[in-house]
Amino acid sequence: GAGVSQSPSNKVTEKGKDVELRCDPISGHTALYWYRQSLGQGLEFLIYFQGNSAPDKSGLPSDRFSAERTGGSVSTLTIQRTQQEDSAVYLCASSSPTGANTEAFFGQGTRLTVV
Amino acid sequence: GQNIDQPTEMTATEGAIVQINCTYQTSGFNGLFWYQQHAGEAPTFLSYNVLDGLEEKGRFSSFLSRSKGYSYLLLKELQMKDSASYLCAVRDTVVIFGAGTRLAVHP
Repeated sequence: GAGVSQSPSNKVTEKGKDVELRCDPISGHTALYWYRQSLGQGLEFLIYFQGNSAPDKSGLPSDRFSAERTGGSVSTLTIQRTQQEDSAVYLCASSSPTGANTEAFFGQGTRLTVV
Repeated sequence: GQNIDQPTEMTATEGAIVQINCTYQTSGFNGLFWYQQHAGEAPTFLSYNVLDGLEEKGRFSSFLSRSKGYSYLLLKELQMKDSASYLCAVRDTVVIFGAGTRLAVHP
């Protein structure tokens, strides 16, 4: 597609339920990031995928969080047993690894509300 | 560890010049980015520095000093639409963002 696509745009879930957030990166981009942004705060790094390399999971806040990237394209971020503190906007970004200026292109995010 | 510091908030007048500073301490360095984020929207790319010096792009310029772990974003001829958060980000093995600086431009 023309840009990074995330779905759903909004998700309200009950505490304790599992949720899946989807990211469809720009075609040909091998690098994919997940970030979390709480209201009025900066971006918190969660996980990074680069090609076929093992993902960098160093930012995942707990073992309730996991992410996959199938076929080097679409990625899914899964949050199990959601808690109220998980409420935030989850942003996905992709970039091309080639060239000196590998800017990241962001999706519009998924606003997650845990009630 | 990783640490990126920038002021929380700044205000400026339409037509003026503002400089937003960013200092960083990271284990490695492979470039520094500045992004703009309007409220409720996704961040958009402004600039990238990997070598020391000034990069100019229209009304926006970005400066980097790797030895000092310091960068700034300079915005000239401020417009009301420049009111936004400005995020400094450093690439080590991954790209880490600072908390952002909320800039309010008033008439």
